[in-house]
Amino acid sequence: AQSVTQLGSHVSVSEGALVLLRCNYSSSVPPYLFWYVQYPNQGLQLLLKYTTGATLVKGINGFEAEFKKSETSFHLTKPSAHMSDAAEYFCAVTEETSGSRLTFGEGTQLTVNP
Amino acid sequence: ETGVTQSPTHLIKTRGQQVTLRCSSQSGHNTVSWYQQALGQGPQFIFQYYREEENGRGNFPPRFSGLQFPNYSSELNVNALELDDSALYLCASSRTSGGTDTQYFGPGTRLTVL
Repeated sequence: AQSVTQLGSHVSVSEGALVLLRCNYSSSVPPYLFWYVQYPNQGLQLLLKYTTGATLVKGINGFEAEFKKSETSFHLTKPSAHMSDAAEYFCAVTEETSGSRLTFGEGTQLTVNP
Repeated sequence: ETGVTQSPTHLIKTRGQQVTLRCSSQSGHNTVSWYQQALGQGPQFIFQYYREEENGRGNFPPRFSGLQFPNYSSELNVNALELDDSALYLCASSRTSGGTDTQYFGPGTRLTVL
């Protein structure tokens, strides 16, 4: 069975600082991994995804994530935080055998301080 | 290209009542998935419809049911509402039911059960 653990339900950074949001997954077969962002009172927007190929994935708004199979991790980073990055971030996993059923982590609330 | 839309945006019901939520998929998409997001948690998979057939179900009781129509729009029906059904209900559509296909989310329907 697939599962996702997001370490840190709340992360606070200063504007301009590095953003690092942690995600570890469990999967019995090669996983497909996603990061979504949710702004208040809105649905989920895809930031980036890993399916196969290059393990460093670049997404929208300057975010990127690296798939590390040996560590079963898919951490999300951004070199310089912007005030507009404040939101809730969800890591999700799916497997080819489960169709496109997404299993989400509990989410990380990112606060950006001026 | 029209994105995923959901109606209504907000809904208040009392315990024991029934509710129907609606979702219009993105143009060209034949797969719709429904998720329940309780306050402060990540979305939980309810079920998925592919070409008008249920194509996978999460750990939800039978009082959660759905339909997909020939135009690939979808309904989520919940009978005998309970207080714990209060949540944001998210609909997502994708081009196919494959694991690599990105799911695009609608803005959600906020259901409150009193």
